[in-house]
Order: sequence, then C-alpha cells, then structure tokens
Amino acid sequence: DAKTTQPNSMESNEEEPVHLPCNHSTISGTDYIHWYRQLPSQGPEYVIHGLTSNVNNRMASLAIAEDRKSSTLILHRATLRDAAVYYCLHKAGNMLTFGGGTRLMVKP
Amino acid sequence: ETGVTQSPTHLIKTRGQQVTLRCSSQSGHNTVSWYQQALGQGPQFIFQYYREEENGRGNFPPRFSGLQFPNYSSELNVNALELDDSALYLCASSLGGFRDEQFFGPGTRLTVL
Repeated sequence: DAKTTQPNSMESNEEEPVHLPCNHSTISGTDYIHWYRQLPSQGPEYVIHGLTSNVNNRMASLAIAEDRKSSTLILHRATLRDAAVYYCLHKAGNMLTFGGGTRLMVKP
Repeated sequence: ETGVTQSPTHLIKTRGQQVTLRCSSQSGHNTVSWYQQALGQGPQFIFQYYREEENGRGNFPPRFSGLQFPNYSSELNVNALELDDSALYLCASSLGGFRDEQFFGPGTRLTVL
C-alpha cells in the first residue's frame, strides 16, 4: 500500500510562509506526488503535483527531496482562506491513497 | 464550464437497504473515481472508471459497485447497507491517468440508521 506520513496539525500566522512536510518512503520511481486540500464542508481541491524537480504554481510550491522519499508543500504567504486539511499522496497502481492529512490553522 | 456535481446532497437509509449515488463529471473528462470519507478521516479510494470500464479498485467489498455511462457520468451503488457505510461519498473526474489533477464534487452525505 502507498503510505504517506504527515503531522496531524500545524499552526501559522497570517501572511507568513508555511512549510507542510510529507514522508512517502514507499514511493516508486514513476509515482507522481500530489497535494490536495480540503476546506470545511467541501470536496478536496487540487493544489499541486510533481515527479522529481520542484514545481511552482499560483497556489503553492512543491519541493521534492532528491531521493523522492519526502516532499514539502510551501504556501508563501498564508491567508485565513488557506485554513484546511492538506493531503499528500502518491499513486500506487491505479489508486490514490489519502492519509490523515495535516490540519493547518492560520491565526490572524 | 460546469464542475463536478453530485446528487443527492444528503441521504438517510436504514440497514439492509440499497442506495444509488450519482455524479456528473466535468466537461471533457473521461475518468471518474469514487471515494468514501468517514468523519475525521481522509478519503478512501473505492474504484475508478475510465471510458465505461472499471480501471482500478480499492479494498471495498463487491456490494460496492459502479457504472459509467457514455456521457461519462457515473453511479455508485451500495447494496445491503451497514451502519459503517455512513460517510461522505465523493466523486472526482479527470482527463485520465493519476498524474492528472482530479476535480472533486461536493459529495453526498449518507447516513445509515
């Protein structure tokens, strides 16, 4: 089974950067690393994904370790609207496996 | 562009009954995946359909079954409902392949009494 390990919760101040870590030691060479987030009472929302090199988009940056067994999602300036559960996952076979995720709390 | 929609929003059933949940995928998407999310937990993959064929399945019993139609909309059927089936059921559509971004619907909240 594809397993990821994330801290249960993290706290950040508004307007500050946030680094959300993830360990994915069972990842294989061709599995993409995906990040999704889920706001209260909504379905998960895609954030970013990558394979080997670091990735940037309008929402966040993804830093992938050289051995690909860990990654970090970077929110450059947290806002109150970023308060959500953040899931790191990768594909094993034809299924995506969500772990427990990290609940991010943003303080004004 | 219409996003992923699911119906109904909420549903209450009793143990032993059968239920059908529906999902309309985003325009142009040919792949639909279904997930079960228990309260306080992450979504658990049930199965995926690609062009009307099942294309992967998680650790769910056969009483969880699905269909995908030519317009790529999809149904999730659950027979012989159990109390533990109470959860939020999410569907997600994508262009195909798990590298691609999945677009999730708002979910159907199923309560089994």
